[in-house]
Amino acid sequence: AQKITQTQPGMFVQEKEAVTLDCTYDTSDQSYGLFWYKQPSSGEMIFLIYQGSYDEQNATEGRYSLNFQKARKSANLVISASQLGDSAMYFCAMREGEANFGNEKLTFGTGTRLTIIP
Amino acid sequence: EAQVTQNPRYLITVTGKKLTVTCSQNMNHEYMSWYRQDPGLGLRQIYYSMNVEVTDKGDVPEGYKVSRKEKRNFPLILESPSPNQTSLYFCASSTGLAGVPRDEQFFGPGTRLTVL
Repeated sequence: AQKITQTQPGMFVQEKEAVTLDCTYDTSDQSYGLFWYKQPSSGEMIFLIYQGSYDEQNATEGRYSLNFQKARKSANLVISASQLGDSAMYFCAMREGEANFGNEKLTFGTGTRLTIIP
Repeated sequence: EAQVTQNPRYLITVTGKKLTVTCSQNMNHEYMSWYRQDPGLGLRQIYYSMNVEVTDKGDVPEGYKVSRKEKRNFPLILESPSPNQTSLYFCASSTGLAGVPRDEQFFGPGTRLTVL
């Protein structure tokens, strides 16, 4: 079974609109972390936002917020007021287990390619 | 500037010719890892290292070797590259220290490898 599922291969959104990128995950661990990374066309991986499994509040980082629904095992990324520079591939990733305790492997989804239309 | 560097950024080689992709970080991070990115598969872990002289296999280690002789460096070695190792490779690092719940991984710029 896929551990991280991103069901939207591609999305087109009008500039200045909000956009939600979906991510569902599967783990039996009680402690885990969820990450979103952005990969622009230049190829680098840019960390956007983090949500810990024990965090009670949804994470926010500037225009990025994470809609964390633990019971549904979903961690959707919300980008408010989208900009042309938001056009990129977005990856959801999960680290199972406690941080700093063993392999901190990130398991990635297949990504969503977001295109912002002027 | 805190960063992870990789060299080379682009490499075209032929089957069987040994190559090394270097990775270096200047953040004094304990944990380092290699991933490969293939279309439709996301990123998959090849090898990781929790500290100097401590390395272990990730999900797709076949055909690769690593070493961690110094804290800052974590080279990826392909002893006999094959076309199925054509991919985009990323090195990443994080603190690996207790008390850092987020401990996000910082990625290098990537190395695009083509094996003919």
